[in-house]
Amino acid sequence: QQKVQQSPESLIVPEGGMASLNCTFSDRNSQYFWWYRQHSGEGPKALMSIFSNGDKKEGRFTAHLNKASLHVSLHIKDSQPSDSALYFCAVRVGTQVVGQLTFGRGTRLQVYA
Amino acid sequence: DPKIIQKPKYLVAVTGSEKILICEQYLGHNAMYWYRQSAKKPLEFMFSYSYQKLMDNQTASSRFQPQSSKKNHLDLQITALKPDDSATYFCASSQRGNQDTQYFGPGTRLLVL
Repeated sequence: QQKVQQSPESLIVPEGGMASLNCTFSDRNSQYFWWYRQHSGEGPKALMSIFSNGDKKEGRFTAHLNKASLHVSLHIKDSQPSDSALYFCAVRVGTQVVGQLTFGRGTRLQVYA
Repeated sequence: DPKIIQKPKYLVAVTGSEKILICEQYLGHNAMYWYRQSAKKPLEFMFSYSYQKLMDNQTASSRFQPQSSKKNHLDLQITALKPDDSATYFCASSQRGNQDTQYFGPGTRLLVL
């Protein structure tokens, strides 16, 4: 059964700083990866997806995937107080057309002004 | 306008009772899901539906029954409620396809006393 682990559990960075979030997964057949963000009292919102090894940049967010190392990361440049939220890594193996996502427990990011 | 509607936002129930959680999506998606989030566990997949047919069920208990009356509706009936069922239940939707992002609703927070 897929296990998704995220680190650190919590992270505090100053405004304008870089936040780095890590995620490891256990199933080598995993193909598709997302980062979600959840603000308090809301549902998770997809930030970005990554399916190929290497880096993918979207604005201030860069995801990095290394399937061989079973590792995916998210880097947030120029962090803003509005980035303060719970961040989830979500993994899909991809053997089913309508497939479940397996989530990690999340990293709680706090950005202080 | 919200594209995924979940009702009610909050729900308080007594042990042994039955409740129905409502979900409607207006994204034109053909796959819908239920996930559960509690303090004890990460976001956890429960069910997936596509074209009103059950695709996957990862819920051990038959007390949880999804119901799809229309292709953009996926309700969740929970019977014989237990305090351990207390959680936030999220509905999500996507197009069919491994690379398609799942979009989450705002959730229904259930408290069982």
